[in-house]
Order: sequence, then structure tokens, then C-alpha cells
Amino acid sequence: DAGVTQSPTHLIKTRGQQVTLRCSPKSGHDTVSWYQQALGQGPQFIFQYYEEEERQRGNFPDRFSGHQFPNYSSELNVNALLLGDSALYLCASSFGLAGVGDTQYFGPGTRLTVL
Amino acid sequence: QQPVQSPQAVILREGEDAVINCSSSKALYSVHWYRQKHGEAPVFLMILLKGGEQMRHEKISASFNEKKQQSSLYLTASQLSYSGTYFCGTESDSGAGSYQLTFGKGTKLSVIP
Repeated sequence: DAGVTQSPTHLIKTRGQQVTLRCSPKSGHDTVSWYQQALGQGPQFIFQYYEEEERQRGNFPDRFSGHQFPNYSSELNVNALLLGDSALYLCASSFGLAGVGDTQYFGPGTRLTVL
Repeated sequence: QQPVQSPQAVILREGEDAVINCSSSKALYSVHWYRQKHGEAPVFLMILLKGGEQMRHEKISASFNEKKQQSSLYLTASQLSYSGTYFCGTESDSGAGSYQLTFGKGTKLSVIP
């Protein structure tokens, strides 16, 4: 049973550039959530996709955008990168539109470094 | 609002017990517990639902006090494999009937021989 996969594993960009991160959900899951985890902090919710639409959004600027494809995989795009965007970006998958108590399973993450 | 976890860090000898606490200022519908080892993804341990029972994962159990908006994670007879950072994630109504997981800053647990 394939778990959540993310690519790439590591990425180095410079300020002002744009980046795209990718996520494939666990088999049988149709909902993808993205989180940013700064060093020494807990994951912070960015947004969630279900049925190819953004359903919920955390407190992140419009520079952060996403997409979900018909096969449920998802992309996270960040434009105009800032030094503060350096973090581990985690993707989590679950089944069905977010309801109380839905278990989310995390991928290994993409480590983004902005220079 | 971010839940508050305590302690921030704890060191145990193998076989000792520990308690990790998670508290929120908001009314909670559920609490999720995860463990993350260095350089790895957070691994789901258990969910506690409002009105639900105390949960257990191997020798790790947790409780949820809805009135106090608190949850506690109990690690019994700790093993070296328990080392890692434990996060609680809380669900509360973020408006329009939507629910988001909000994580605490984590508790770093180190188990030594």
C-alpha cells in the first residue's frame, strides 16, 4: 500500500524565484492538505484541496497557491520566494471532505531552502 | 489559535513513564497526536474525539478533557523507539463548518539507555 509521496526531497532557490512542489496521496485518499513546518515548530496549515478545489485556507498570502489533479495528486506553488519561506513543506492526505476526526497521513516532506 | 504543549522537552531512561500535555483556549472537537523523528514525516498515533473514549497505541495512551480543552499523552515503560518530537493537533470550528488541524510547537522526548 503506497503511502504519501512528495517530490523533490530537497530544493534550493534564490529570493524572488518561484517553486513547485508535488504530492501524491495515499492510495484510496482523495483529499490533500499542505503544511509548512519551520525549524523547531509544528506544522502550520496552508490549504486543503478536495475535488480539485481549494476548500480551506490557513493564514498564508496569495503567493502560496495550489492545484489538485483528477488523479488526486496535488501541487503547491510559491511565487516571489522570501528567505522566510525556507521550511519543510509537508503534504498530508485523507479521505473525504474535511470532517471532524479525519485522520491525515503525512508524506516525508520537501525541504526548501531560499538563499 | 495554536495549542500549548508542555513540557517543551523531556529526557527519560528506558522503562520510565512520561506525560505530555496539550491545552487550547478554544472549544475542541478532536485532538490528534503525532510523533516525528528527525528528518522524517510526522507519524499518526491516535485521535481523541469529543465524547469519545481514551485511546491507546501500544504502550502509549491518551485522554481528552473536553471541558478543560486539554489532552494528555501517557507514555508507559518508555522504549528507545519512543524518542522523537510529539505534536498535538487540535480541531475546532474555523467557521462555515470547516475544521482545520492546528499543531502545537511539539515536545521533544529523548529516551536514553
